[in-house]
Amino acid sequence: GENVEQHPSTLSVQEGDSAVIKCTYSDSASNYFPWYKQELGKRPQLIIDIRSNVGEKKDQRIAVTLNKTAKHFSLHITETQPEDSAVYFCAPWDFNKFYFGSGTKLNVKP
Amino acid sequence: GAGVSQTPSNKVTEKGKYVELRCDPISGHTALYWYRQSLGQGPEFLIYFQGTGAADDSGLPNDRFFAVRPEGSVSTLKIQRTERGDSAVYLCASSLKGGTSPLHFGNGTRLTVT
Repeated sequence: GENVEQHPSTLSVQEGDSAVIKCTYSDSASNYFPWYKQELGKRPQLIIDIRSNVGEKKDQRIAVTLNKTAKHFSLHITETQPEDSAVYFCAPWDFNKFYFGSGTKLNVKP
Repeated sequence: GAGVSQTPSNKVTEKGKYVELRCDPISGHTALYWYRQSLGQGPEFLIYFQGTGAADDSGLPNDRFFAVRPEGSVSTLKIQRTERGDSAVYLCASSLKGGTSPLHFGNGTRLTVT
């Protein structure tokens, strides 16, 4: 199975600053790398994903970068806003299932 | 359209009792997953259905846990002889065709075993 580590576990930024969360995984066969956002008491929701044939993908203020050689991918949020405050999970896919990281709690201070 | 629906939203039961948790996936989604999320942790895989069959049940912690999806739509997760350690939020997710199709989660069932 996949061994997934997410860093940092908590991240506090000032509104307008950037935030970066890194996810490392162990299985080089993984080929799909999503990020989920979970607000307090709510369901996880997909915010961005990347497949192994590309190195970067952007969607407005969020982006994901992938380094397959080093087996890590990162979530980048620019111009953070208070509504970005949530827990973020990486979840690389590996043979039938998604392996979720332990989460990064992002706090955006107004 | 309608999302993934889970019932009940909350369930409190006594240690040793039997519980059933229900998941109604998005119409047309062939794949259905059950995950378990403890406080402060990421979702932990339990079981994956493709159609009516369990394609991967490697995450079920022991034989007290069982899940079915008899008609390839609604799924029920069944827990026998509940223990306090079973307390968690049980999340169901569906995806269009499994594999690397994105997951769509329900709101979960919060199970508390007293």
